[in-house]
Amino acid sequence: KAGVTQTPRYLIKTRGQQVTLSCSPISGHRSVSWYQQTPGQGLQFLFEYFSETQRNKGNFPGRFSGRQFSNSRSEMNVSTLELGDSALYLCASRGTVAKNIQYFGAGTRLSVL
Amino acid sequence: SQELEQSPQSLIVQEGKNLTINCTSSKTLYGLYWYKQKYGEGLIFLMMLQKGGEEKSHEKITAKLDEKKQQSSLHITASQPSHAGIYLCGADKEDSSNTGKLIFGQGTTLQVKP
Repeated sequence: KAGVTQTPRYLIKTRGQQVTLSCSPISGHRSVSWYQQTPGQGLQFLFEYFSETQRNKGNFPGRFSGRQFSNSRSEMNVSTLELGDSALYLCASRGTVAKNIQYFGAGTRLSVL
Repeated sequence: SQELEQSPQSLIVQEGKNLTINCTSSKTLYGLYWYKQKYGEGLIFLMMLQKGGEEKSHEKITAKLDEKKQQSSLHITASQPSHAGIYLCGADKEDSSNTGKLIFGQGTTLQVKP
């Protein structure tokens, strides 16, 4: 089985722009979670999607949004980028809601200049 | 809110030596997950612990959850350069595993000198 795939791997944007990141979960997995990782704050939960519905949301501003498609692929969007949005964005999928074992993609490294 | 504290923050060991990383929670742990991360890459799932006193092993890595379910330890026996990386503990938010959300410790960076 292929793992979690995130595209692109690297992105460079300027302040004020918007960006869309993509995540394809492991085949058969319906839950996709997104995390932001920075040196200062560590790994922080953004949101989770299951069957095209956002079920949980972390403590991030409304500039961070996401969606999930019928094939379970998910996208994350960040609008009006700020310098502080520079981070590694990770998505993870899980195959069962009985346990929270999440499988992570390699991440998208976003740099905001 | 629940917080996870990992110690030490970083560790440098000689190849062949044993080491232990600790993860302490401010609240009862209902699900505890250990991951390994190579710098700038994704997390690799190692083990999950749920029951007090539970212990699991994978190759030379052993993880334990204490009886009170507020601390977990990760022990590596006879370390190798391939063990180098960042080890992160994650926990379920409160007593529900159906949230898709894990809370993570700040990570422990391990270097293994040949």
